[in-house]
Amino acid sequence: EIVLTQSPGTLSLSPGERATLSCRASQSVNNNYLAWCQQKPGQAPRLLIYGASSRATGIPDRFSGSGSETDFTLTISRLEPEDFAVYYCQQYGGSSWTFGQGTKVEIK
Amino acid sequence: EVQLVESGGGLIQPGGSLRLACAASGFTVSSNYMSWVRQAPGKGLEWLSLSYSGGGTYYADSVKGRFTISRDNSKNTLYLQMDSLRAEDTAVYYCTRGVLNWGQGTLVTVSS
Repeated sequence: EIVLTQSPGTLSLSPGERATLSCRASQSVNNNYLAWCQQKPGQAPRLLIYGASSRATGIPDRFSGSGSETDFTLTISRLEPEDFAVYYCQQYGGSSWTFGQGTKVEIK
Repeated sequence: EVQLVESGGGLIQPGGSLRLACAASGFTVSSNYMSWVRQAPGKGLEWLSLSYSGGGTYYADSVKGRFTISRDNSKNTLYLQMDSLRAEDTAVYYCTRGVLNWGQGTLVTVSS
C-alpha cells in the first residue's frame, strides 16, 4: 500500500497569499495518477487536479498541481475567501487507492 | 450532468448488515471505474473499495472479507454490501466515479 503524507497539517494564510501544499508518497505513484480534492465543512469532496497536473472541469487556474513519482505539490496562487478548506491528495495508480491525511488551509 | 446519489444509510447494531446503493446518471456505470470512500466523524477520507469496468474488485484491508462491492448495470447503480459491522465503521459513505465525481454521501451509524 502506498502511504501518502501531506504537509503541513494546517496552513494559516491571508486572502491573496500563495498556498503551497505538499504530498509525499512512500513509493512511486504509477503514471503520476495523483489527484487533489477540496472539502468544505458539511460538503462532499470536489476534484481539483488529476494526473498530478491536469485541472478538473470548472476549476479556476489559480489552482495548479505539479510533481512526479513520490513528490507532489498543490499550489493556490492567490487565495480567495472560498478557498479556505481541507485539501486531500489521493493516489489511484493501482488496485489499492489511498488518501493523504489532509491539509487544512485556514484564515490567518 | 453527472450525478451520484447514495442511499441506504442509517442506524444499525454492531454485527448487523447494511446495503448501500449509489444511483448514477449522466454516464454509464458499466464503463467506468467506481469506488466507495468513507469519512468517520471529524476524520479524513478512507478509500474502501474499487470496481473496475472490466469486472475486477479490490478492497482496503480494513473491510476485506466484510464488505462487497457490486454493480447492477441494468439499473446503472453501484452497491456496497456491508456485513459484520463494527462501531468503527460509523462514517459518511461516498461513492465516486473514479476520481472525477463524488456523491453527496450517506451516513452509517453503528451503535447499540
